[in-house]
Amino acid sequence: GEDVEQSLFLSVREGDSSVINCTYTDSSSTYLYWYKQEPGAGLQLLTYIFSNMDMKQDQRLTVLLNKKDKHLSLRIADTQTGDSAIYFCAEIGSGGYQKVTFGIGTKLQVIP
Amino acid sequence: DAMVIQNPRYQVTQFGKPVTLSCSQTLNHNVMYWYQQKSSQAPKLLFHYYDKDFNNEADTPDNFQSRRPNTSFCFLDIRSPGLGDAAMYLCATSEGPDRVTDTQYFGPGTRLTVL
Repeated sequence: GEDVEQSLFLSVREGDSSVINCTYTDSSSTYLYWYKQEPGAGLQLLTYIFSNMDMKQDQRLTVLLNKKDKHLSLRIADTQTGDSAIYFCAEIGSGGYQKVTFGIGTKLQVIP
Repeated sequence: DAMVIQNPRYQVTQFGKPVTLSCSQTLNHNVMYWYQQKSSQAPKLLFHYYDKDFNNEADTPDNFQSRRPNTSFCFLDIRSPGLGDAAMYLCATSEGPDRVTDTQYFGPGTRLTVL
């Protein structure tokens, strides 16, 4: 079945850039997502990228997609303490209803 | 603001005592999902409704049931909660598979504790 992998933990200093990486196996993925989950809260959709795009930028967030290597990354510029959370990579396949496959989540710790 | 609402945010029940979690949405989406998320794990899909059609995941225990009386509301019923059912339960909605992207929007979750 489909698989999405992420590293478990990332620690950065406030003001630095954070890069969270994700790899996936489903070659038919159409959309790839980044969700943010703060402690005790639900998942907040941060951004998504269509599989025919290489890059998407949204304010401090930059998503890079390497479809050949099935590698997705999320860069957060000028990381703030409020960015501390768990970040989930997720992918959805093509055509009709497709189950979203989530990674296990990367816990981002921002050090003041 | 259009949104996904879950009530209650925190629920405590006793071992074996039935419990119902509630989800409502103002997005008018066709699809509603229930996920179970245990600590340090990815959300696990339990089932979803596409309109009135119920779709159960193959590995969802029979102890978990769901009802969708109308477009806006969906309920998760746990008939006899066990200690292993303690988790965060997330409700999500999406427009439906006929859209180009079926992005899912999540509620804040209900944290279930089983004593």
